[in-house]
Amino acid sequence: GAVVSQHPSWVICKSGTSVKIECRSLDFQATTMFWYRQFPKQSLMLMATSNEGSKATYEQGVEKDKFLINHASLTLSTLTVTSAHPEDSSFYICSAVTQGTNQPQHFGDGTRLSIL
Amino acid sequence: AQSVTQLGSHVSVSEGALVLLRCNYSSSVPPYLFWYVQYPNQGLQLLLKYTTGATLVKGINGFEAEFKKSETSFHLTKPSAHMSDAAEYFCAVSDQDYKLSFGAGTTVTVRA
Repeated sequence: GAVVSQHPSWVICKSGTSVKIECRSLDFQATTMFWYRQFPKQSLMLMATSNEGSKATYEQGVEKDKFLINHASLTLSTLTVTSAHPEDSSFYICSAVTQGTNQPQHFGDGTRLSIL
Repeated sequence: AQSVTQLGSHVSVSEGALVLLRCNYSSSVPPYLFWYVQYPNQGLQLLLKYTTGATLVKGINGFEAEFKKSETSFHLTKPSAHMSDAAEYFCAVSDQDYKLSFGAGTTVTVRA
């Protein structure tokens, strides 16, 4: 079946640094990728929708300058958390889908981000 | 606008017993409905989905769900729980833009 690879799976870094998370669709072309954030014991909150070759659409309350999203190809989207602070610590999950195929979103395994 | 309500944040069942997870949705358009399972520190795995057609949907691992439009429900069931079913379960609704709205999730624990 379709596989989405997310990397890294776990990252710990100092406050003020920037962290890049990659999301790759391994065996299909993802016209659209979604980025979610999940706090402990909570549901997934959509952060942004990324369509290949165009600017991401951010959900209300998500800082676009804080969470930079790039979707330069049909198999790769990246989320960069800029100048990360402890409150950015969370579990970030990406998903990918091919528009027009009636297929569900396929999720990556998530990235646990811890900012010290 | 769409939304999902999962009744019961925590369900505890005995091994071999019926698993029933409740999900109600609201949607302004014909909904696409999904159930996902999440194991600790992992992403989401699709259990089953309803788009159109047969209202009783069978998924992986012995799970099934029934779409009831009159009740705006999409409850998930499994006749006999296994220890490996212990996980977090999310019901979700999607529009034609593929954006998912998730319920708050239900934690399932299975007692030996």
